Amino acid sequence: EADIYQTPRYLVIGTGKKITLECSQTMGHDKMYWYQQDPGMELHLIHYSYGVNSTEKGDLSSESTVSRIRTEHFPLTLESARPSHTSQYLCASSDPGSGDTEAFFGQGTRLTVV
Amino acid sequence: GNSVTQMEGPVTLSEEAFLTINCTYTATGYPSLFWYVQYPGEGLQLLLKATKADDKGSNKGFEATYRKETTSFHLEKGSVQVSDSAVYFCALRETGNTPLVFGKGTRLSVIA
Repeated sequence: EADIYQTPRYLVIGTGKKITLECSQTMGHDKMYWYQQDPGMELHLIHYSYGVNSTEKGDLSSESTVSRIRTEHFPLTLESARPSHTSQYLCASSDPGSGDTEAFFGQGTRLTVV
Repeated sequence: GNSVTQMEGPVTLSEEAFLTINCTYTATGYPSLFWYVQYPGEGLQLLLKATKADDKGSNKGFEATYRKETTSFHLEKGSVQVSDSAVYFCALRETGNTPLVFGKGTRLSVIA
């Protein structure tokens, strides 16, 4: 059972609001990732981190920002939400140093901007 | 760059039918290969993996063999159940320090 948690599970918010999606893991993993999943199911990497104070942009350009101040926490922030940000956001973590190559996923946050 | 191409869905099967979802990959090195499953309203769960050529990953009746010569990692199950209805993603990781690269997903519906 993976110990990675995302909150909230569902969020409906008005245009222009600032929001933060939370992601926490208790496995001590250095590497964490944010994926955006469009309605057609496809997954797009939008941010990743290799450790504290490390953040990188992914393959899909995103107006969101991330921070990694603590190993276990990797929040994603939208300063001004827009309807185009409506999507499912999935957080994941991995620890290849342990010999495992897979990533563990949270349950996702489904964001709707109205 | 690295990429994964998987069979487009949706796939609809009757219960107890045989399942194959094709997956091929492009990579510059020797990646690890994965199948993830996403049930409705949930995140992704690892279904099985293989880390080197000719390895066979298996779990819950699903199997996939890492075929380097055909750069493939096809998912198979001999007898599907209604509870197998989900979206299946093939993925690769080139090294431990790179993010997973996913295929576009294949939606499977199994009807009783």
